[in-house]
Amino acid sequence: GQNIDQPTEMTATEGAIVQINCTYQTSGFNGLFWYQQHAGEAPTFLSYNVLDGLEEKGRFSSFLSRSKGYSYLLLKELQMKDSASYLCAVLDSNYQLIWGAGTKLIIKP
Amino acid sequence: DGGITQSPKYLFRKEGQNVTLSCEQNLNHDAMYWYRQDPGQGLRLIYYSQIVNDFQKGDIAEGYSVSREKKESFPLTVTSAQKNPTAFYLCASSENSLSYNEQFFGPGTRLTVL
Repeated sequence: GQNIDQPTEMTATEGAIVQINCTYQTSGFNGLFWYQQHAGEAPTFLSYNVLDGLEEKGRFSSFLSRSKGYSYLLLKELQMKDSASYLCAVLDSNYQLIWGAGTKLIIKP
Repeated sequence: DGGITQSPKYLFRKEGQNVTLSCEQNLNHDAMYWYRQDPGQGLRLIYYSQIVNDFQKGDIAEGYSVSREKKESFPLTVTSAQKNPTAFYLCASSENSLSYNEQFFGPGTRLTVL
């Protein structure tokens, strides 16, 4: 079966750094997405990785290791507005997105 | 401005009634998708369409139906056969579904069946 694992909830402090991990087992791999979703709203695209390594985009970075079936999203200089759920999704061999359950990130002042 | 619209944002229905959720996009995307999201769970694919007049079942299609008569529109009907219809429904679109392509989401419809 196909499976994507993320921690259910994480807590961090404003101004700090947090790393959200995602491990996956899927039938094929055509890339990994990270989306941000505020409560009651639509998911919005953060990053896409298909090759191993780190992709940096402002305060957010995403890392991928295909051999380990592992990715992480790194958020720096945390702001209160970063409180949201972060969804990891893998594009499988049929180009279907397989979604993780999401990690709820709580930012404390 | 290009985007995806879903209406209504909140919808209440009595048990046993069919209800249709609207999804419209003006991004000129070929592919459209319907997802269901329940608390503490990831997005689950209900139906998707790669092209007009064609659609495919996703992982949880039972109790749902769709149509794709126009490129811009992909309405979802939640039928009385769906046992637990109360959920947050998200519509998405992408340029196509056969390669990398970011999915863009509508604002969602929260359906509550009383």
